Amino acid sequence: DAKTTQPPSMDCAEGRAANLPCNHSTISGNEYVYWYRQIHSQGPQYIIHGLKNNETNEMASLIITEDRKSSTLILPHATLRDTAVYYCIVRVAYNNNDMRFGAGTRLTVKP
Amino acid sequence: NAGVMQNPRHLVRRRGQEARLRCSPMKGHSHVYWYRQLPEEGLKFMVYLQKENIIDESGMPKERFSAEFPKEGPSILRIQQVVRGDSAAYFCASSPLFLDSGSYNEQFFGPGTRLTVL
Repeated sequence: DAKTTQPPSMDCAEGRAANLPCNHSTISGNEYVYWYRQIHSQGPQYIIHGLKNNETNEMASLIITEDRKSSTLILPHATLRDTAVYYCIVRVAYNNNDMRFGAGTRLTVKP
Repeated sequence: NAGVMQNPRHLVRRRGQEARLRCSPMKGHSHVYWYRQLPEEGLKFMVYLQKENIIDESGMPKERFSAEFPKEGPSILRIQQVVRGDSAAYFCASSPLFLDSGSYNEQFFGPGTRLTVL
């Protein structure tokens, strides 16, 4: 059972930033926040993860609130190919058997 | 470095037949996970295996489903006497050995096998 809450769907204009929120109010101190996405029923693709500091990589940025009860995934310049279902997952990093996917957020990038 | 490979990509079975789904992890990965995704739903964890060992099968149905990851060869998810409710996409993921506490273990997913039971 997922420990996160995400909006079921969001739209974003192509070229604009997409900000996807996630609530994880019961997160434990040793749990990381991970983001994956699934494009059109393909296998999920890892995007980014973080513990308490903000993180950035070539795909996205992750902003985690100071109390760690929520986070936001930012796609800085969304393209049509970013249309996908985005999953926010909290898990203990060294405990591989607890990857629990919720329903995710279906992001639609529109031209 | 090839990614996680799954075959077949599509599998059609009639009710009562057996389905065998294969997963070859990424090179150097010794941990394999199976997930099931029903239409319009998120992925559900089924089982976690290391070579020759089942570590966690808490998500596996108690009957008809089994999984193995032999010393040599791919991991196999086997579904006996399939029913229409087994129709779903089955994803396999792999990850490397555990790192020290505090570091992460990204799971790499395969393209999935779409099982259709007629």
